[in-house]
Amino acid sequence: AQSVTQLDSHVSVSEGTPVLLRCNYSSSYSPSLFWYVQHPNKGLQLLLKYTSAATLVKGINGFEAEFKKSETSFHLTKPSAHMSDAAEYFCVVILSASKIIFGSGTRLSIRP
Amino acid sequence: ETGVTQSPTHLIKTRGQQVTLRCSSQSGHNTVSWYQQALGQGPQFIFQYYREEENGRGNFPPRFSGLQFPNYSSELNVNALELDDSALYLCASSFAGGHPISGANVLTFGAGSRLTVL
Repeated sequence: AQSVTQLDSHVSVSEGTPVLLRCNYSSSYSPSLFWYVQHPNKGLQLLLKYTSAATLVKGINGFEAEFKKSETSFHLTKPSAHMSDAAEYFCVVILSASKIIFGSGTRLSIRP
Repeated sequence: ETGVTQSPTHLIKTRGQQVTLRCSSQSGHNTVSWYQQALGQGPQFIFQYYREEENGRGNFPPRFSGLQFPNYSSELNVNALELDDSALYLCASSFAGGHPISGANVLTFGAGSRLTVL
């Protein structure tokens, strides 16, 4: 069965330190993968997407993610966290029109 | 370029009632999908509409139904409301170039309609 697993429900880092949000997927073929961010009382915003082109994908606000087929992972990283990065992050797999799967989310907190 | 707008932003219903939520898609988009996000959880895919027809559905009962209009706006209807239907309902629009099934479509989300069922 196809699924998406976000390995951490909550990640806390200090401002200026690296961020790593982990996502693993399960699929019988290469899916399209996305990361979305949700700030309180706001809609989901696309950070980046992978659609079988380059395995290292750069997104907005300094975020990037690397698709590793052998590990079935699509982890999100940022070299230096900013206070404005505090939000909920969702890893998303789109397999078809009837297979749009969100992970359970990772809440990112930034310590001053 | 206008974004995705949803209405109403908040509403309260009682168990057994019916509700209609509305979504205006982003200019240039032709596909709309709906999601249910319960508190503390990730969004769950309800269904997707393309060319006014449902072309994909998640694991939701038939009392969840929808429409897409010629201007690509959409409605989500939920009948016989249950307490567990309390959630944030999100609408997303995207552009499908000639075929609705494409993993490359980028979803643009509205801010959601928060439904409380008492």
